[in-house]
Amino acid sequence: EAAVTQSPRNKVAVTGGKVTLSCNQTNNHNNMYWYRQDTGHGLRLIHYSYGAGSTEKGDIPDGYKASRPSQENFSLILELATPSQTSVYFCASGDGDKYAEQFFGPGTRLTVL
Amino acid sequence: GDSVTQTEGQVALSEEDFLTIHCNYSASGYPALFWYVQYPGEGPQFLFRASRDKEKGSSRGFEATYNKEATSFHLQKASVQESDSAVYYCALSDQGGNYKPTFGKGTSLVVHP
Repeated sequence: EAAVTQSPRNKVAVTGGKVTLSCNQTNNHNNMYWYRQDTGHGLRLIHYSYGAGSTEKGDIPDGYKASRPSQENFSLILELATPSQTSVYFCASGDGDKYAEQFFGPGTRLTVL
Repeated sequence: GDSVTQTEGQVALSEEDFLTIHCNYSASGYPALFWYVQYPGEGPQFLFRASRDKEKGSSRGFEATYNKEATSFHLQKASVQESDSAVYYCALSDQGGNYKPTFGKGTSLVVHP
């Protein structure tokens, strides 16, 4: 069974602070993704990666950085958090194939005060 | 760029009703099409896919047929149950080596007993 875990599951941050969201997958998938989910917007792709050392911009990358230090780990970094980044963030992994489904983690609820 | 449109933001039905959730897409070439389901407090999970014209994908009583001419992939189920209450996402992946997924905004299904 595919396994994607995220930490922390809940986070409260202050405006201007740095936030790091972590994701780990044990599926040995090449691709990993970060999304945010907001009412009325559905799932929006922030950054993604094809493998260790690679990161690509998704549809809404502004204000976010990503890091893929290994096959298993993919982090999302908010250098200067803002209240508009309050959201639920999902990490996912998948094979590097157009037909491959994605396996999602349980999500991280981030509140920026 | 690629896009996925889900017409209904919310659908309310009674048990044993027939379900249709509309999904239309815009993409170059021949994308793969997906449906995902998200239950409260969880990450989205893969439901099924289709990858060529007229192919039917199905799982758990849900089905959808790839219609390239109409650029559609509508989700249907003959008789819904209360346990089907969830958010449903239509998604596509583009062709070529750059597997960049695009999700619709989601449709919230509420089934009343």
